[in-house]
Amino acid sequence: GDSVTQTEGQVTVSESKSLIINCTYSATSIAYPNLFWYVRYPGEGLQLLLKVITAGQKGSSRGFEATYNKETTSFHLQKASVQESDSAVYYCALRGGMLSGSFNKLTFGAGTRLAVCP
Amino acid sequence: EAAVTQSPRNKVAVTGGKVTLSCNQTNNHNNMYWYRQDTGHGLRLIHYSYGAGSTEKGDIPDGYKASRPSQENFSLILELATPSQTSVYFCASGDPTSYEQYFGPGTRLTVL
Repeated sequence: GDSVTQTEGQVTVSESKSLIINCTYSATSIAYPNLFWYVRYPGEGLQLLLKVITAGQKGSSRGFEATYNKETTSFHLQKASVQESDSAVYYCALRGGMLSGSFNKLTFGAGTRLAVCP
Repeated sequence: EAAVTQSPRNKVAVTGGKVTLSCNQTNNHNNMYWYRQDTGHGLRLIHYSYGAGSTEKGDIPDGYKASRPSQENFSLILELATPSQTSVYFCASGDPTSYEQYFGPGTRLTVL
């Protein structure tokens, strides 16, 4: 089946420093899945941060960006300068195809908690 | 005006008891989903629905039932709760045109 692997556990970064959260995927239900980054702030539900539906393209939002690399099957999340308000849990996800068993099903990574220190 | 709401936000249940988690959406989306989130795992799909009256099994449906009485409401039912069902549960509604899903704030369920 489809799977997503991302940087495990917690990442701690000092404010104004750069960030990268790794994400790699394996998609058996579809050749080129749609890729997403979701973010969950404390006490809130997940919300879409960015998405890329075409291989080779880059998505960006709120200073974050991620490039869909079909050769390395990766979709790493990057930000040049983080702020304390970026502290949250980040989830990489893919949308599989009909063979995944449920159309529009999302397969999620385990989540990476980002702690930004002042 | 949150578009996806869940109730209760926190629940403590006893083993063998019945638990119902409720979800309401104002997005007018046909698709709705129930996930659970456990440490070390991504969100895992329990049940989903294509519209009022439909429910489908997701990846981990055992021990759960679902009900979709209307476009707006989607419930998750644990008939005989077990400690292994202690988790955080998320409901979502889905926009089939953009493939985005919109999540509720989650329900933390503890089964003692």
